[in-house]
Amino acid sequence: QLQLQESGPGLVKPSETLSLTCTVSSVSISSNSYYWGWIRQPPGKGLEWIGSFYYSGSTHYNPSLKSRVTTSVDTSKNQFSLKLSSATAADTAVYYCARNPYGELSQFDYWGQGTLVTVSS
Amino acid sequence: QSVLTQPPSVSGAPGQRVTISCTGSSSNIGAGYDVHWYQQLPGTAPKLLIYANINRPSGVPDRFSGSRSGTSASLAITGLQAEDEANYYCQSYDTSLSGSVFGRGTKLTVL
Repeated sequence: QLQLQESGPGLVKPSETLSLTCTVSSVSISSNSYYWGWIRQPPGKGLEWIGSFYYSGSTHYNPSLKSRVTTSVDTSKNQFSLKLSSATAADTAVYYCARNPYGELSQFDYWGQGTLVTVSS
Repeated sequence: QSVLTQPPSVSGAPGQRVTISCTGSSSNIGAGYDVHWYQQLPGTAPKLLIYANINRPSGVPDRFSGSRSGTSASLAITGLQAEDEANYYCQSYDTSLSGSVFGRGTKLTVL
């Protein structure tokens, strides 16, 4: 059964870079033609798509975040990562990683449990 | 303000049928892009409920069904159960925003 697990600091200072890693189990992120993605949810609010990407480089980001988002893949560790620069309080949210089989037009079928990141001094 | 509009809340008694609407426009649902639905129980990650408008992943009860018509989509839940009390989100693709979008969510209360 495919499993995803987010990890990273739970507290980030304003203006610093928010960095998270997603570890994937049971499926190699490079062995199938799947996309992977990040979604976030501010406390008490709805879901926001951050971006979707293929392990070999194709990326698609939310235009509202694109200038601050970077994603990367480490196939040797079966992990992918998110970096969000110049963090502000508005970036405080639960961050989820998920499988996005066919890219941003498709569903997110497997999700991590989520990790809360608070941006505060 | 999301480009996909959902009612903030719906409610129903156990055993009843409820529907949750997701209204879009010609740049998303109306353009033919698929709609997907998620259930989010309190304190947990969203769970895929319906994908590509009408399809249920393995393990999702057939009490849940989806449909799409024109610029809207709907999620129907029959035989309401107390465990169905959750937030429900629709998702699609929007050409104007050039990305995936979620509705703001609908809170289902089982009376």
